[in-house]
Amino acid sequence: DGGITQSPKYLFRKEGQNVTLSCEQNLNHDAMYWYRQDPGQGLRLIYYSQIVNDFQKGDIAEGYSVSREKKESFPLTVTSAQKNPTAFYLCASWDRGRGANYGYTFGSGTRLTVV
Amino acid sequence: ILNVEQSPQSLHVQEGDSTNFTCSFPSSNFYALHWYRWETAKSPEALFVMTLNGDEKKKGRISATLNTKEGYSYLYIKGSQPEDSATYLCAFDGSGNTGKLIFGQGTTLQVKP
Repeated sequence: DGGITQSPKYLFRKEGQNVTLSCEQNLNHDAMYWYRQDPGQGLRLIYYSQIVNDFQKGDIAEGYSVSREKKESFPLTVTSAQKNPTAFYLCASWDRGRGANYGYTFGSGTRLTVV
Repeated sequence: ILNVEQSPQSLHVQEGDSTNFTCSFPSSNFYALHWYRWETAKSPEALFVMTLNGDEKKKGRISATLNTKEGYSYLYIKGSQPEDSATYLCAFDGSGNTGKLIFGQGTTLQVKP
């Protein structure tokens, strides 16, 4: 079955360390997105990519970096410059070719805790 | 800064009750409005994507309406069941073909048997 896989499900890191969250999809979707969830807030867009080798900053990109070397993969690195990295991170993909009437497909998320 | 507001924040109903919640979004540069259901320990799943003013969509006991001129959408659940317990997210797409969504904070529904 096609879908999005995020790993790991839970991640613990020490303050000051960079950490990379994995997101892989086998849906052949062009567009991929990273969102962050904090308690009491809506999902906020970190980075997105509409095509391989291209990505754009979202609303809260500071302290994060991404790459899109393959269509299937869109890893997110949380750097030591991110001031409040502890959060739940969701990856999503979207089939741009199907147009506006189709929604995102989401992964199951990674909960990152920085101690 | 574009804002998407959902109300109420949480809702507790009895099995069999019908319920509805609201999503408010900017009334300019509208491209699409999405509704997602997010059950605990699962991934959010798309319920509806609505693009036209006056759109009404239905999936089983769940339906949604859209008013793009005044910037709101309603989600209705008829005869709530315990399996409807979830957080319902709406998301506004004002970006055209980039697929960038602005999410509301969600409405968490708890249905008691």
